[in-house]
This record gives sequence, C-alpha cells and structure tokens, in this order.
Amino acid sequence: KQEVTQIPAALSVPEGENLVLNCSFTDSAIYNLQWFRQDPGKGLTSLLLIQSSQREQTSGRLNASLDKSSGRSTLYIAASQPGDSATYLCAASGGGADGLTFGKGTHLIIQP
Amino acid sequence: GAVVSQHPSRVICKSGTSVKIECRSLDFQATTMFWYRQFPKQSLMLMATSNEGSKATYEQGVEKDKFLINHASLTLSTLTVTSAHPEDSSFYICSIFKNTIYFGEGSWLTVV
Repeated sequence: KQEVTQIPAALSVPEGENLVLNCSFTDSAIYNLQWFRQDPGKGLTSLLLIQSSQREQTSGRLNASLDKSSGRSTLYIAASQPGDSATYLCAASGGGADGLTFGKGTHLIIQP
Repeated sequence: GAVVSQHPSRVICKSGTSVKIECRSLDFQATTMFWYRQFPKQSLMLMATSNEGSKATYEQGVEKDKFLINHASLTLSTLTVTSAHPEDSSFYICSIFKNTIYFGEGSWLTVV
C-alpha cells in the first residue's frame, strides 16, 4: 500500500526566501504525482502534476521535481510571498482509475 | 470554470440524522468518482470509489452501511452519511478523473 510522507510538517520563513518542500512515497510504481495547495477552510487547488515519465514541471515561481527511483518529489518555491502561506499537499496516483494517496501536508507561513 | 460541482459547501446536522452530499461532473461524463475525507489537521484519505451503475468500492475501515454512495448517472454521485455522529464531522471532497484529476470544492460537515 502506497504511503506518502511530507517533510517538514510546518515551515515559517521570511518573505523573499526560496524554499523546498519534500515529499516521499514508498511505491515507485506511480502513474503521476501532484502537488496541491489548500487554504484554511477551503478545498484543493492543483499546482503541478508530474507524469511518471517526467522529471519536473514548472509554473511561475513553482518547480516540482520527481525522482521515481528514490521515491521522492520536491516542490521549490522561489521568492516566497505572504500569499504563498497555505498547506501544501503532495499526492501519488497509482493510475487513472485509482484514487490519490495524500501526504499530511506542509503548513507554510511566509512572514511579511 | 468549475469542472466538478459539490453541494452543499457547508452543512450542520443533528446527531442521529442523515445528510446527503452531491458531486456533479459538469463538463463530461464520469464513470468513476472518488470520495475523500479530511479530519482537522489530517490529510485527505480516500473513502471510496464510486462506479456508475454498480456498487461503490470502499477503502478498508470505511463503513459502507454508514456512508452510502449512489452513482446513478454519469454526472452525479451522492454520499449520504447516515445516523451521523459528532465524530463524522469532517471535510468531504469528491474528485473525478478525465485525463487528469478534478476536485470539487468540498463539503464541510458539522454534526452537533
């Protein structure tokens, strides 16, 4: 059974810093890996999706990498802003017909 | 615009009553929908996979007689929490898969 772990559980940094969020998964036979953002009391916002054949994806200040062999993914946030404060979740998919396995998330606070 | 619509977004019900949450696919037919649950400060956990025209597949530890799932059409799946208890208070969210994964806005259930 797939297990997804996110480190750190919480992170607080000053505005402007670059930061890295880590995600590891136990079963490397994934279909894709996805990063989401969740604001307090809200649903999920999809940030980046990396297919199993890909190594990384970029969107604006966000860059996500995937290393299937080591069972790891990282989300890199450049030039962090207070508006980036949220919980970031990574989720692994075993296939289109399978549900997602989520990590517990990293609660990020960007200090103005 | 939204691909998946979930209703209600928030609901409060009395202990012992039942409450129904709807998940609608707005743009295309969805033979499979997924239901997740998220307790406070926990990650999202897959509850069940809803299959159009057949019985839902429940994850281990999820009571199928308590969480009734009906997927009677290709655009609608419903989750009914029966005989709700305060410990059922949670965030419930659905998703569909069509080349990628789309999530609904989620439903906050509070049982008093």
